[in-house]
Amino acid sequence: QVQLKESGPGLVQPSGTLSLTCAVSGGPINSQSWWTWVRQPPGKGPEWIGERYHAGGAKYNPSLKSRVTISLDNTENKFSLWLNSVTAADTAVYYCGRGGYYSLVSWGQGTLVTVSS
Amino acid sequence: QSALTQPASVSGSPGQSITISCTGTSSDVGAYTHVSWYQHHPGKAPQLMISEVSNRPSGVSNRFSGSKSDNTASLTISGLQAEDEADYYCSSYTSSDFYVFGTGTKVTVL
Repeated sequence: QVQLKESGPGLVQPSGTLSLTCAVSGGPINSQSWWTWVRQPPGKGPEWIGERYHAGGAKYNPSLKSRVTISLDNTENKFSLWLNSVTAADTAVYYCGRGGYYSLVSWGQGTLVTVSS
Repeated sequence: QSALTQPASVSGSPGQSITISCTGTSSDVGAYTHVSWYQHHPGKAPQLMISEVSNRPSGVSNRFSGSKSDNTASLTISGLQAEDEADYYCSSYTSSDFYVFGTGTKVTVL
């Protein structure tokens, strides 16, 4: 069973770049899956950030598209999220996940990222 | 695209059945069968409970069932158990080719 674990800085400066990595174990990242990032601001519901297919295609939430990039690293079996020009509104628990047929079949436990000076 | 609307909280006694609604629009829930439900115990990884409106992944109890009518999807938990106490979120694919989640429902077992 595929397991995922997020890692990265817990504190990011305003106007800086948020960078997170999701380590994948129990299966290859170049399998037929959509590798996904979701975030959940404090007290709110989740927000879908985007996903990248193992074959290279990517989709992003239109509200974040200008600031976000998701990439895959087949060598290290991980994928990453970059979100630039962050503000306090980007403070959230960030989750990585493995997408199947229009649903997220596996999730990480999440990591809290706070945007503050 | 706005978040899907869920009741903030639903409660029930052990053994009872409860239903959580998830209301969207004709551009998401009403347009596709791609509606999923997730269970989240705080501090743990969320778990897929229902996909494609009513499909239960392997290992998910048959006490969980899903349905949809027009722009509203529903998750029913029958034979409520203490372990069902958690947050539940719906999600739908949208006509804009991305996904939207629900506002979330806290289920309390009395």
